[in-house]
Amino acid sequence: QVHLVESGGGLVKSGGSLRLSCAASGFTFSTYDMSWIRQAPGKGLEWVSYINSRGNIQHYADSVKGRFTTSRDNARNSMDLQMNSLTAEDTAVYYCARDPSYDYVDHWGQGTLVTVSS
Amino acid sequence: SYEVTQPPSVSVSPGQTAKIFCSGDAFPNQYGYWYQQKPGQAPILVIYKDNKRPSGIPERFSGSSSGTTLTLTISGVQAEDEADYYCQSTDGSGSYRAVFGGGTKLTVL
Repeated sequence: QVHLVESGGGLVKSGGSLRLSCAASGFTFSTYDMSWIRQAPGKGLEWVSYINSRGNIQHYADSVKGRFTTSRDNARNSMDLQMNSLTAEDTAVYYCARDPSYDYVDHWGQGTLVTVSS
Repeated sequence: SYEVTQPPSVSVSPGQTAKIFCSGDAFPNQYGYWYQQKPGQAPILVIYKDNKRPSGIPERFSGSSSGTTLTLTISGVQAEDEADYYCQSTDGSGSYRAVFGGGTKLTVL
């Protein structure tokens, strides 16, 4: 059974940094691409970043490019999202999700809340 | 930038059929996907690659695509189907750019 657990969320001041982690289990992590998707309070879903199974290809939404970096450790079945230069617009629940075929996600974690105070 | 558009709300009585439409210029060439999200919960995938249903999703959920319109159909709607539904696609540029619609609130009257 696929299980994804995010951690690292919390309250941070504008301009600060935060590192989120996603722990994966129940599937062969090293063979799947992964994504981060966020949801601002009361708003819709926004794709944030993608990383391929080997970790050597990443893509980012324009809204976070240059500020966020995604990485993974296949030996530890984990994925991280390093978030720098945070602004209030980055306040959201951040979900990690499994990507089975480069264009959608089929399993989501429960999310971790990031709150950026201005 | 590429966008997909869906209505903000749809209402239906129990037992009736609900249809949620999603419009996007890339749909003739790109697959569409649907996610269901209930309050306080993470989204779940209910339809992938236009019309395929993941295991565990009830048969009353179906999907179709025609031209620039993706459609989610819920036949015999039940109270438990009340949720937000999001369509999703990619822009077809070859560089990963998942795009979500703004979400449709399905209300079961």
